[in-house]
Amino acid sequence: AQKVTQAQTEISVVEKEDVTLDCVYETRDTTYYLFWYKQPPSGELVFLIRRNSFDEQNEISGRYSWNFQKSTSSFNFTITASQVVDSAVYFCALSPTNFGNEKLTFGTGTRLTIIP
Amino acid sequence: DTGVSQNPRHKITKRGQNVTFRCDPISEHNRLYWYRQTLGQGPEFLTYFQNEAQLEKSRLLSDRFSAERPKGSFSTLEIQRTEQGDSAMYLCASRWGFGELFFGEGSRLTVL
Repeated sequence: AQKVTQAQTEISVVEKEDVTLDCVYETRDTTYYLFWYKQPPSGELVFLIRRNSFDEQNEISGRYSWNFQKSTSSFNFTITASQVVDSAVYFCALSPTNFGNEKLTFGTGTRLTIIP
Repeated sequence: DTGVSQNPRHKITKRGQNVTFRCDPISEHNRLYWYRQTLGQGPEFLTYFQNEAQLEKSRLLSDRFSAERPKGSFSTLEIQRTEQGDSAMYLCASRWGFGELFFGEGSRLTVL
């Protein structure tokens, strides 16, 4: 069975501070995908990143960065110099990579509030 | 707008009534997914289609739930004899092959 744990239910930081959202996962699959999605108040889930389990390189995209550590089964997400527009619920998710098994397993999400 | 479109955005119904939600995926996408999200939780997988074939169904999809994608384009999700526990946001998503998964804004169901 697959499981994703986002222990931080809510986080509030002052604008321009850096913030890290934690994600810990469990899976028996040897290969898998990890994802982060953003859900603003409008409700639409916005794709941020997908990583394959064999690629442990950290990734940076503008103010966003992701730290994948297979040894600790973690895939943490950092926002640098946070902005009010970053306020949203963020979900970490996990899926198998084999064809025919398409299900994404989501964590319970972290609600991030950026205080102006 | 060329994103995933869902209708209606909000449906209020009485317990025992049937409801149907429609999803129009991005036009070239062959895979279509339905998820359910309850308050304070992450989305939970319900079912998915590759073209018109329904390839996987979750145990969450009881006999009262049925999904179709008749011509491999739009999809409908019908809930019969609704119960209060069916109150949730129903999310549709689509993608081409194993590419990025695009979600719609969801259809919120409230069962009174």
